[in-house]
Amino acid sequence: EAGVAQSPRYKIIEKRQSVAFWCNPISGHATLYWYQQILGQGPKLLIQFQNNGVVDDSQLPKDRFSAERLKGVDSTLKIQPAKLEDSAVYLCASSFIQGTYNEQFFGPGTRLTVL
Amino acid sequence: AQTVTQSQPEMSVQEAETVTLSCTYDTSESDYYLFWYKQPPSRQMILVIRQEAYKQQNATENRFSVNFQKAAKSFSLKISDSQLGDAAMYFCAPAGGSQGNLIFGKGTKLSVKP
Repeated sequence: EAGVAQSPRYKIIEKRQSVAFWCNPISGHATLYWYQQILGQGPKLLIQFQNNGVVDDSQLPKDRFSAERLKGVDSTLKIQPAKLEDSAVYLCASSFIQGTYNEQFFGPGTRLTVL
Repeated sequence: AQTVTQSQPEMSVQEAETVTLSCTYDTSESDYYLFWYKQPPSRQMILVIRQEAYKQQNATENRFSVNFQKAAKSFSLKISDSQLGDAAMYFCAPAGGSQGNLIFGKGTKLSVKP
């Protein structure tokens, strides 16, 4: 079974530029999550999708971050414009269904450096 | 809101020995689950073990086991017969609510000495 795929693995941009990350979850997984992991901290949930609908985006900085999952499969997270404090690893995860018991499977992450 | 405290930023263990990583949390949920995830340098988070809060019996998964104290809101991870491949960051993460969102602690970096 293929795991969660993410690209790119690394990205370096200047502040005020735009950047987009892509995630393809495990086949059949209805729930998709984007996390931000700042160096030295645990991941923080940015947004959760159930199929192509947003379940929770309460911690997404909506003035600069946006995410979509148009066909209920792969997803894109965008930052526009980027700030220095956006430097972090962006992790995508998926689970079969939402709910407290269901294991989340994580991708390898994208390391973003904002200069 | 849920909070998670992992009080040991770094731990070290000799190969084949046993180590315990601590975690305390605060939650207002009555029904929830708790997870330990491992993150090696490759960054891929891997589930180590999970515990259902309504179960009194502590979860065990091969060399990994937990000591779950619900009243104290404590959820420690014990790794027996430590192996070099166990070296990683370990994150404690309770999940609750209908959405099952994970709240991660800051992690404990485990080093294994040969």
